[in-house]
Amino acid sequence: AQSVTQLDSQVPVFEEAPVELRCNYSSSVSVYLFWYVQYPNQGLQLLLKYLSGSTLVKGINGFEAEFNKSQTSFHLRKPSVHISDTAEYFCAVSDGGYQKVTFGTGTKLQVIP
Amino acid sequence: NAGVTQTPKFQVLKTGQSMTLQCAQDMNHNSMYWYRQDPGMGLRLIYYSASEGTTDKGEVPNGYNVSRLNKREFSLRLESAAPSQTSVYFCASSAFYEQYFGPGTRLTVT
Repeated sequence: AQSVTQLDSQVPVFEEAPVELRCNYSSSVSVYLFWYVQYPNQGLQLLLKYLSGSTLVKGINGFEAEFNKSQTSFHLRKPSVHISDTAEYFCAVSDGGYQKVTFGTGTKLQVIP
Repeated sequence: NAGVTQTPKFQVLKTGQSMTLQCAQDMNHNSMYWYRQDPGMGLRLIYYSASEGTTDKGEVPNGYNVSRLNKREFSLRLESAAPSQTSVYFCASSAFYEQYFGPGTRLTVT
């Protein structure tokens, strides 16, 4: 069985400061890892994904994440946040079976002007 | 190209009433999913369909039924709504491990 843990339910950060949103996963097989973003009153959209290859993955809107197999982590980072980054961020894992995805409980990023 | 569409956007039901949530995608994806989103619980998979003609239970299937009408459409039915089914429901389709979500249906059961 696969699972995802997002330890921080809310992360406040000042505008133009760096941010890291933490994600740890567990799975008995090789995994595919994802970060999705949900803006208020909208569906989720993909920020970035790790399927294989380089462990540093770059996504949209200046976000990046690093796959660390030994730490079973996939933390999301951005060097300088903007007000428009205020949203809820979901980490997700898939073992590839039927393309089923397990989502974490989400982290609300609040960017403070 | 509309992506994934869902109807209705909002719905209020009384306990015991039934309703069907509609979902359609125009991306020719084989796999489709229904999730519910509750505060502090992330997204939980209700049912999924790996291809036309097949459906399987997810994490929280009790109280729901689904129909994969054709490749485009995947509906979710609540036969006898309960207050515990108050939630936001998302439909998604997927290709190459990326999921594409609809805008959601906000359902309140009183």
